[in-house]
Amino acid sequence: SQTIHQWPATLVQPVGSPLSLECTVEGTSNPNLYWYRQAAGRGLQLLFYSVGIGQISSEVPQNLSASRPQDRQFILSSKKLLLSDSGFYLCAWSVSWGLGETQYFGPGTRLLVL
Amino acid sequence: KQEVTQIPAALSVPEGENLVLNCSFTDSAIYNLQWFRQDPGKGLTSLLLIQSSQREQTSGRLNASLDKSSGRSTLYIAASQPGDSATYLCAVRSSGGSNYKLTFGKGTLLTVNP
Repeated sequence: SQTIHQWPATLVQPVGSPLSLECTVEGTSNPNLYWYRQAAGRGLQLLFYSVGIGQISSEVPQNLSASRPQDRQFILSSKKLLLSDSGFYLCAWSVSWGLGETQYFGPGTRLLVL
Repeated sequence: KQEVTQIPAALSVPEGENLVLNCSFTDSAIYNLQWFRQDPGKGLTSLLLIQSSQREQTSGRLNASLDKSSGRSTLYIAASQPGDSATYLCAVRSSGGSNYKLTFGKGTLLTVNP
């Protein structure tokens, strides 16, 4: 069966510090991978998606970046965090973009920037 | 641009009641619509996926309907239980442009009181 892991579960970082959040998927090959952010009072916002190693597409301009160094690994990074980067970050995967395709979400990382 | 709205934002009911959650979307050109459940501080769990050609889907006490032409979906929960307490999110996959993307509503926070 497929599983998705995210770490850390919780992170408190000062403004201006770097960030690295990791997501890994087990039990599937060549998944589509996604990073979402869920801020208080707002819906989930898609930040990045990837269809393969080294292939990253960004949805919104921001001071975050994403990388996919391996097939089932997706990393969210920042060189300098802003207060507005606080939120709940969710990684998700899917197999294909077919009509019946669904996305499966990880447990999330709660980030608080102080 | 697709927009998804969920009403009500919060709902509190006594145990045993049947209830309906509403979701509306602005662009009827969709591949599918999904309902997710999110427990506090957790990731999302897919409940039901309705393809654009379908009218409804059922899973246990849950029934989701889709009226694509009017841009509406409902999630019906029968005989609600305290364990149903969670935030319920509706998401649509649009068929034009960025069809990999899910657009989420802000969710309905459901509390079922024993």
